[in-house]
Amino acid sequence: KNEVEQSPQNLTAQEGEFITINCSYSVGISALHWLQQHPGGGIVSLFMLSSGKKKHGRLIATINIQEKHSSLHITASHPRDSAVYICAVRSRFGDDKIIFGKGTRLHILP
Amino acid sequence: NAGVTQTPKFRILKIGQSMTLQCTQDMNHNYMYWYRQDPGMGLKLIYYSVGAGITDKGEVPNGYNVSRSTTEDFPLRLELAAPSQTSVYFCASTWTSGGPYNEQFFGPGTRLTVL
Repeated sequence: KNEVEQSPQNLTAQEGEFITINCSYSVGISALHWLQQHPGGGIVSLFMLSSGKKKHGRLIATINIQEKHSSLHITASHPRDSAVYICAVRSRFGDDKIIFGKGTRLHILP
Repeated sequence: NAGVTQTPKFRILKIGQSMTLQCTQDMNHNYMYWYRQDPGMGLKLIYYSVGAGITDKGEVPNGYNVSRSTTEDFPLRLELAAPSQTSVYFCASTWTSGGPYNEQFFGPGTRLTVL
């Protein structure tokens, strides 16, 4: 079983829909990252969370440390949001390793 | 700031050839990482460095070597290329592992094919 699991693996939605991508992890963490990988391959960091909730524009990320779960929400989705969204966790136990999920491929139809 | 830069963007190697993937960052980050991304798979850590002169193995280090002689540069060396090393390679850097400034910055990637 992977230490970081994302769901769904693939998601197709209509423009304007509210999108939720989930990330569950099984290790103790110091931080969780949400990354966006564009169709061209570039990777951009969206959020770094250690507790609570963060918002940036139409993107909202939440984390529940007790439940070892995080969600990434996109409000009023747009075709330009089409990308792979990757959840990554930073191990809490001093080895500074980052464990990545396999990503969720999001496709927003116009 | 240019951020994290990687060269080359694309490369085709023959089996047994060697090459160095270059990575440079101009943000004075102390932590640097090399990842590979195989189709349909998550990023896997190859090597990382917590500062100049210090490197350590990640999850998939076999077939690779690294060095960190300066804060800015973290080259990845493939000595005897094998088809299993066909992948997209990403370099990343971050300010510090445990402090607030630990957003990772990624380079644009190097797409390597070994034939």
